[in-house]
Amino acid sequence: GAGVSQSPSNKVTEKGKDVELRCDPISGHTALYWYRQRLGQGLEFLIYFQGNSAPDKSGLPSDRFSAERTGESVSTLTIQRTQQEDSAVYLCASSLAQGAGEQFFGPGTRLTVL
Amino acid sequence: TQLLEQSPQFLSIQEGENLTVYCNSSSVFSSLQWYRQEPGEGPVLLVTVVTGGEVKKLKRLTFQFGDARKDSSLHITAAQPGDTGLYLCAGAPAGNKLTFGGGTRVLVKP
Repeated sequence: GAGVSQSPSNKVTEKGKDVELRCDPISGHTALYWYRQRLGQGLEFLIYFQGNSAPDKSGLPSDRFSAERTGESVSTLTIQRTQQEDSAVYLCASSLAQGAGEQFFGPGTRLTVL
Repeated sequence: TQLLEQSPQFLSIQEGENLTVYCNSSSVFSSLQWYRQEPGEGPVLLVTVVTGGEVKKLKRLTFQFGDARKDSSLHITAAQPGDTGLYLCAGAPAGNKLTFGGGTRVLVKP
């Protein structure tokens, strides 16, 4: 399909392990966002990539969180030394334009840290 | 304090009733977006309002953008169980990145 895809859809890990979450944006979308959504809550902004500009990392909650993006394609969100409070759904979105452009979301990765 | 404040945070109503969700800010926006998120899925755009005072209708949903472009509302007429979900407003002040409100969780009981 032509939508945003994320993998894995579910991830269960043990406390202290590292995890990598993947996002494939819509082809041609220059902007890519990562959000965290705890159960029953709204979206918590994590990081934003726009073309070749330096990413906006202002939402990353700690230095255990990092993200990379290869050009204008795939992005990976890495969480090192996972903690139980990292358990959440991690959503990726892409947008054709920066700023107020419509965001297209993937289905999310549900992360459970035991 | 969030840039976009949504109220109420949670709304539980019976099928057939009306409801209104509010999205307020002290900042001016060139446009505001409304998204709905259903359980297990990512949010999906419902509408974008651009002009101050604008009213847009999408079947039983009515969206309004405040005259000063600082606030917006979503009104649902004769709500149905299929309207259940998380409603999010979003805006990008001064061309910055899109920012989401905290969301309003709506539960429509049959």
